[in-house]
Order: sequence, then structure tokens, then C-alpha cells
Amino acid sequence: AQSVTQPDIHITVSEGASLELRCNYSYGATPYLFWYVQSPGQGLQLLLKYFSGDTLVQGIKGFEAEFKRSQSSFNLRKPSVHWSDAAEYFCAVGAENNDMRFGAGTRLTVKP
Amino acid sequence: GAVVSQHPSWVICKSGTSVKIECRSLDFQATTMFWYRQFPKQSLMLMATSNEGSKATYEQGVEKDKFLINHASLTLSTLTVTSAHPEDSSFYICSASFERGIRYGYTFGSGTRLTVV
Repeated sequence: AQSVTQPDIHITVSEGASLELRCNYSYGATPYLFWYVQSPGQGLQLLLKYFSGDTLVQGIKGFEAEFKRSQSSFNLRKPSVHWSDAAEYFCAVGAENNDMRFGAGTRLTVKP
Repeated sequence: GAVVSQHPSWVICKSGTSVKIECRSLDFQATTMFWYRQFPKQSLMLMATSNEGSKATYEQGVEKDKFLINHASLTLSTLTVTSAHPEDSSFYICSASFERGIRYGYTFGSGTRLTVV
């Protein structure tokens, strides 16, 4: 079965600074990879996804992620963070059987 | 498009009673819906996969008699927490697949905060 590791439980960045959230996955085949964002008390919103093609994926809200097969990683990046980006971010990996598994999440705090 | 509506957004119930949570796909047909449980400051744990017209598939360790799932139509799945106890208090989230299969990602409902007193 597939699994996801998000090594950073909590990250704090200053507004305007760049951001990188780490995600490592374990799966025997080519994975389907996703990043979701969750605001407090809310559901999850899809930021971006990868399942084939260009390994650099552009998403909504200025986010991008790069799939690196050799490192089993799918890190999320944003060049300039806004205060409204403060939220919980989840990396997820999906398999052909439609099973989706989530990482533990990374909580992002944005300092003014 | 691809909106999933979950209702209610929060509910408080007495211990021993049952609570039903609805998950609707508003503008698409969802042959498969998923139910997750999320504890405070933790990730989402898949509880069960709900397929229209058939029995749900439960993850290991999830009590199927306590968490009843019904997927009677292509746009509605329900989760009923039966004989709820305080330890069932949690945030429950449903999701649905816009396209058949996982490659396009799933659309999530806004979640239901259940508090059992």
C-alpha cells in the first residue's frame, strides 16, 4: 500500500518569503500525487495534482510542485507567501485502485 | 463545477443516540464516495469507500455496525453514527470522485463536526 510522509509538522514563514513544504511518498508504481489545503473547520481544497507528463505542476493560488521520482518526493512551493496562505497542507498519494492516503499534514503560520 | 455538499456542518448529540451525515455531489454523478475521520491536528483517516448500489468497503478497524454507510443514489451518500459515544466525537469529511478513477483528484465536502455529550 502507498504511504506519505510530511516531515515538517509546523512551519513559520514571514509574509513575502518563499515557501517549500516537503512530501515523500512510498508506492511501487507511478503514483498519483496531490496537495490539498485545509482552513480550520473546513474541508479540503485541491491545490494541484500530478499523474503524468511535466514533472513541474502549476496549481491554484500561485502554488507549484515538482515530482522527483529519484527522491520519491513531491514538494510544494510558493515564491511569495501571503497571510491568507496560513492553513494546514496535506500531501496525498493515490493508487490505481482509487485508494488515496494522506500525510500527517504541515501547519503553515505566516508572520506579518 | 464538482461541488460536494456535506450536511450538517456541525451537530451535538446525546450519548446513545444516532446521527446521520449527508454527502451530496451537486453537479456531477459520483459513483464512489469516501468517508474520512479527522482528529484534532491530525491527518485524515479513511473510514470507508462507498459505492453506489453496493455495500461499502470499510477500512480495517472501523466498526461497520457503528458507522453505517448508504449510497443509494449517484449523488448521495450518508454516514450514520449509531449509538454515538463521546469517543466518536470528531470531524468527519466526505469526498467524491469527479471523474471515474483517482487521477483527477477528489472533491471534498466541508466536513461535519460531531460532538457527543
